[in-house]
Amino acid sequence: DARVTQTPRHKVTEMGQEVTMRCQPILGHNTVFWYRQTMMQGLELLAYFRNRAPLDDSGMPKDRFSAEMPDATLATLKIQPSEPRDSAVYFCASVPGQAYNEQFFGPGTRLTVL
Amino acid sequence: KQEVTQIPAALSVPEGENLVLNCSFTDSAIYNLQWFRQDPGKGLTSLLLIQSSQREQTSGRLNASLDKSSGRSTLYIAASQPGDSATYLCAVRSSNDYKLSFGAGTTVTVRA
Repeated sequence: DARVTQTPRHKVTEMGQEVTMRCQPILGHNTVFWYRQTMMQGLELLAYFRNRAPLDDSGMPKDRFSAEMPDATLATLKIQPSEPRDSAVYFCASVPGQAYNEQFFGPGTRLTVL
Repeated sequence: KQEVTQIPAALSVPEGENLVLNCSFTDSAIYNLQWFRQDPGKGLTSLLLIQSSQREQTSGRLNASLDKSSGRSTLYIAASQPGDSATYLCAVRSSNDYKLSFGAGTTVTVRA
């Protein structure tokens, strides 16, 4: 049963700490999206990778957020330093082939920054 | 910029009733439209994907229609069950963009 996995599922941290979230896309999917979901803003696109290369990260606050895909089986989203306003659920989604195809979402990482 | 609206924001129906969920979008130049289900504290589960050339898609009790010219899609769920209680999200991909534009969702409660 192929699915996107994300770790950790929950993270509580204090303001100023570094947070790293991980995503394992479905094997063979070469396109990965990072989203953030909050009650106020809904789902927002943060970054988009294709074949491990970042093609669009315009949705991320550049001063504190960074996204990488060190290999085809791992995508990471890092926040340093974290702030209370970063509290949200972070999802990654993987897509087979072209970015226009159906997106498959992971279970998300619920981040709380105190 | 594509704007996606879902009305109503919440819906409560008795078990067995058919559900009708609406999604409207401002730019009719779309590549495809995807319906998702989200359970509380969980990720998004893809329900149906409709390509711009299609008028509808069906999967079991679910049927989604697409009318590009009027900028609307409707998700029908037949004979609703308590297990259908969830938030349903509509997402549109415009023809000139790889990004999905999401609606705010419709939260459905099916009463036993």
